[in-house]
Parts: sequence; structure tokens; C-alpha cells
Amino acid sequence: EAGVAQSPRYKIIEKRQSVAFWCNPISGHATLYWYQQILGQGPKLLIQFQNNGVVDDSQLPKDRFSAERLKGVDSTLKIQPAKLEDSAVYLCASSLPIPNTEAFFGQGTRLTVV
Amino acid sequence: ILNVEQSPQSLHVQEGDSTNFTCSFPSSNFYALHWYRWETAKSPEALFVMTLNGDEKKKGRISATLNTKEGYSYLYIKGSQPEDSATYLCASSGAGSYQLTFGKGTKLSVIP
Repeated sequence: EAGVAQSPRYKIIEKRQSVAFWCNPISGHATLYWYQQILGQGPKLLIQFQNNGVVDDSQLPKDRFSAERLKGVDSTLKIQPAKLEDSAVYLCASSLPIPNTEAFFGQGTRLTVV
Repeated sequence: ILNVEQSPQSLHVQEGDSTNFTCSFPSSNFYALHWYRWETAKSPEALFVMTLNGDEKKKGRISATLNTKEGYSYLYIKGSQPEDSATYLCASSGAGSYQLTFGKGTKLSVIP
């Protein structure tokens, strides 16, 4: 079974630039999550999709972050404009649409904003 | 938002030693406790999902227990090996919720 795919693996940008991350979940997984993990902290949920609808985006900084999952499969997360404090690992995960089931994670994108 | 705490923050053990970490979480509205292992440059990997008070789960040399009444879970590693070196994350979720609230993790280094 193919895992969750993310790209790019690493990205370095200057502050105020824009960046986009891509995620392809496990086939058949209707639920998709984006997490932000800042160094020294635990992963924090940014947004959760069920198919192509948003279930929870309460912790997404909507003035600069956006995410979409147009066809209910792949998803993109965008930051525009980036700030220094956005430096983090961005993890995508997917799961079956069952509460409290196991989530499968991608390898993450490590973003450095300079 | 649930507050999940993990201790210790980091741990160094000799190969062959057994070790354990703690995860504490609010016991109100609790539904499930997840443990993940995250090796450097790899994806976080699910170890256990536990829901019932008194649950004990085992996978090879790794086991976990759950106490929902007092709000804690222990992860045990028996006879640590260098390949066990990783960050161990726990996450809690509430009833009917998909959202996981993670602790900061315990970083384990096993010295050969």
C-alpha cells in the first residue's frame, strides 16, 4: 500500500515570499489533515478535510495560510506571505472517515523562512 | 483544546536498557490515546491506539498502558536498541472527534 506522499521535502524561502506544499493521501482515505510542527513543540492541527469539505480550520492563520482539496484527493497548503515564525515541518496525514482511527503521515516538508 | 504533556523531554539510554515515558492528558471528554514513533527523516508511524481504561497493548519490545481515570499513559521499551532512537509522540482525542492533540514528544537516544 502506497503511503502519504508530500512534496517538496525541503524548502527555503525569504520572508514575505509565497510557498505551496502538496499532499497525496492514501487511496480511499476521505479524511486529510495538515499539521504544523515547530521545533520543540508537538504537531498542531492546521486544517482537516473530509473529502473536499473543511471540517476544522480553527487553528489556521487565515490571513496568510490557505488550503484546498478540490477533488477530494490531493491537497495543497499555501503560505502567502511567509513570516520567520512559519519555519516548521508541515505534515500531511490521512485516515479513514472514522473518529479516533489511526492517521497515516507523510514525511513532511521542512520549511525554513530566512 | 486538550493539553497533552509528555515527560521526559529527552532521554539517553544504553543499548540493552529498558526505559519508559509518560503521557498525561485531561481525562474529561477523553476518547482515545495514540502513540506515534517519529524517526528522523521519516514519517511518524502509529504504534498504538487505546481507548479503554486499563488497556495494555504490545508490539514486539514496545508496550503501552492506559489509565483514563487519572489521565496518563506509559510507553515501555524493553531492551532498547539503537534503531529505537526516535521521538515518541502521544496524542489525545475527544469523544466523536477526528482531531488529535499532540504532546511535545520524548526524544529517545539509544547509545550502542
